[in-house]
Amino acid sequence: DTEVTQTPKHLVMGMTNKKSLKCEQHMGHRAMYWYKQKAKKPPELMFVYSYEKLSINESVPSRFSPECPNSSLLNLHLHALQPEDSALYLCASSQESSGSYEQYFGPGTRLTVT
Amino acid sequence: EDQVTQSPEALRLQEGESSSLNCSYTVSGLRGLFWYRQDPGKGPEFLFTLYSAGEEKEKERLKATLTKKESFLHITAPKPEDSATYLCAVQVQNDYKLSFGAGTTVTVRA
Repeated sequence: DTEVTQTPKHLVMGMTNKKSLKCEQHMGHRAMYWYKQKAKKPPELMFVYSYEKLSINESVPSRFSPECPNSSLLNLHLHALQPEDSALYLCASSQESSGSYEQYFGPGTRLTVT
Repeated sequence: EDQVTQSPEALRLQEGESSSLNCSYTVSGLRGLFWYRQDPGKGPEFLFTLYSAGEEKEKERLKATLTKKESFLHITAPKPEDSATYLCAVQVQNDYKLSFGAGTTVTVRA
């Protein structure tokens, strides 16, 4: 099974709201990722967690705050977002062992900031 | 800086009309090249990983090949359900980051 799940599927929030996106995988993958994708563009990496520790932060604004509670879960906390943050937010995971580096993506959360 | 260029940007095919998508790349220390399929509003679906020049992978009507400078995704006798955006991405050694191309949007008409 190569499934990554994300909730919610859709989220509408105001600029003063606080919300969280959730991601879960049960493949035993050791790396988990957050990507942002705008319409007709490829995904852009935001954060990487490796063995539950933040490994990469691609200079993402502090209004996005990632959290990795355990090896299967990844959250993205949102606060004081701007309308330009509206996008499809994708979670992914990878095994990161010899010969197996492909990333498996979830279905995404469509975020609209009003 | 790693560069990934996909061509064409869009491809319109008649059902059964085979064609190829190109992904050219410039990286130092390639770990792997990945192909994904993405339907509108959904997450990318993993198709293939290619690790070394000369490698080929097949899945149903799709076949991916790799040289030292580019990769091709061949679609043989496509069906309307093959309509999607196909993304190519490269990863370098000791790095988690995927560098994506802009994608090729394939439309297959019945």
